Amino acid sequence: SQQGEEDPQALSIQEGENATMNCSYKTSINNLQWYRQNSGRGLVHLILIRSNEREKHSGRLRVTLDTSKKSSSLLITASRAADTASYFCATDAGGNNRLAFGKGNQVVVIP
Amino acid sequence: GAVVSQHPSRVICKSGTSVKIECRSLDFQATTMFWYRQFPKQSLMLMATSNEGSKATYEQGVEKDKFLINHASLTLSTLTVTSAHPEDSSFYICSARDSGGGTYEQYFGPGTRLTVT
Repeated sequence: SQQGEEDPQALSIQEGENATMNCSYKTSINNLQWYRQNSGRGLVHLILIRSNEREKHSGRLRVTLDTSKKSSSLLITASRAADTASYFCATDAGGNNRLAFGKGNQVVVIP
Repeated sequence: GAVVSQHPSRVICKSGTSVKIECRSLDFQATTMFWYRQFPKQSLMLMATSNEGSKATYEQGVEKDKFLINHASLTLSTLTVTSAHPEDSSFYICSARDSGGGTYEQYFGPGTRLTVT
C-alpha cells in the first residue's frame, strides 16, 4: 500500500516564488525521500531525511520531517522555470529499501 | 553520481508477444534492484524486488509468471513481460541501490515506455 501521500494539489507559481508541498504517511519510517520527475522521464533523487532528523537543506531545497505528525514538507525557494515537474515523496519503512511512493504534486513554474 | 540505464527506452509490441526490459547499474554494483510501473499522471507502484542470485520478491497482486525477473549479475536485472496485453501498457522504471554505498539512496533508471497494440 502507498505510504507517502502528498496533498493532492497542483501548484502553479511565478518564477521567483517559493513552492511548498506536503506529504503524510501512516506508519513508522526509517527515512523519507523526495524525488522529482520530469514528464515521461525517470526520477531524480532530491533529498533524503532520516527519521531522527527534523530538517535538511540542499541548495534551494528545504525538507522538514515531523515524525509525531507523520508528515514532511518540501520547500523550493526562488523557483525557476526548470523546476517545473512532478514531485514525489517516498517512505522507506522496513529498512529493506522498499519505497512506497505518494501520489505526487505537479508544479508549474511560470517564467 | 551513480547511473542506472534502461533499455529499450520505448517499445511497441503486439498482443501475445513477450518483451524484455533491461536495467543496468553502470558504475556501481547492486545486489538489489527494484521494478516499478507507473500509469499516466499517477504515482509509482512497486512491482517486485530483484535480488542478485536469488528469486525476486513480488508485491501483492503482481503476477510473477507474467512479469519474469532475472537478476543474473550485480549490474543487470531484466524484466520480461510475457504474453503482453494492452493493459500492460505502462511506464516501467527500475531502481538500484549501491551495495557498497552505505546509504539508503536509490538510483532510478530513465524508464521504459511499453505500448501493447
